[in-house]
Amino acid sequence: DIQMTQSPSSLSASVGDRVSITCQAGHDISKYLNWYQLKPGKAPELLISGTTKLETGVPSRFSGSGSGTDFTFTISSLQSEDIATYYCQQYHDLPWTFGQGTKVEIK
Amino acid sequence: EVQLLESGGGLVQRGGSLRLSCAASGFTFSTYAMNWVRQAPGKGLEWVSVISGTGGSANYADSVKGRFTISRDNSKNTLYLEMNSLRVEDTAVYYCAKSSHEMIMFGGCFDSWGQGSLVTVSS
Repeated sequence: DIQMTQSPSSLSASVGDRVSITCQAGHDISKYLNWYQLKPGKAPELLISGTTKLETGVPSRFSGSGSGTDFTFTISSLQSEDIATYYCQQYHDLPWTFGQGTKVEIK
Repeated sequence: EVQLLESGGGLVQRGGSLRLSCAASGFTFSTYAMNWVRQAPGKGLEWVSVISGTGGSANYADSVKGRFTISRDNSKNTLYLEMNSLRVEDTAVYYCAKSSHEMIMFGGCFDSWGQGSLVTVSS
């Protein structure tokens, strides 16, 4: 199985701050990397697929980059509605695997 | 609008069985692979199983292989997860998730999710 190591596990930032989350794959997954947002009581949402493709309707303050084993998810200007837990997920090989998650809070 | 509605969760004893259902609407169900993904209390997401659009092929996480069976009824737009020999560690919210492709090999992007169904396995 491909292990996905995500960091940090949590972060606290102010509204308007730039926030970044990293995800490292156990081996080369090319660009087969997605990012999801989970909010309590709501259905999870796919934000970014294929490392960089923003899903329809997702605000442009969200972005992704990377390839191979190292990936980054960025919120360019944190908003209060971005409070959530974010997960990376590889789909290069079955079983598809997720990172441990990053809980984002407002300072 | 895509809608996925899970049902069938509840409390079951260790060793028992449960069947989850996921009613789908808003898209052509038979042309997309479908998945189950779970989240144990206080833990992260774990992919459980996937089935192709036709239902002809499926894959499972090692943690559930041999105990869980995924299936679908395309005439009813419904996905199922039959769970047998349940363990305490199977306690989780189970999400139904739509793949962005019909075939499993291209189906690793989960572009729509349900709100989940809680399964609790007691000892």
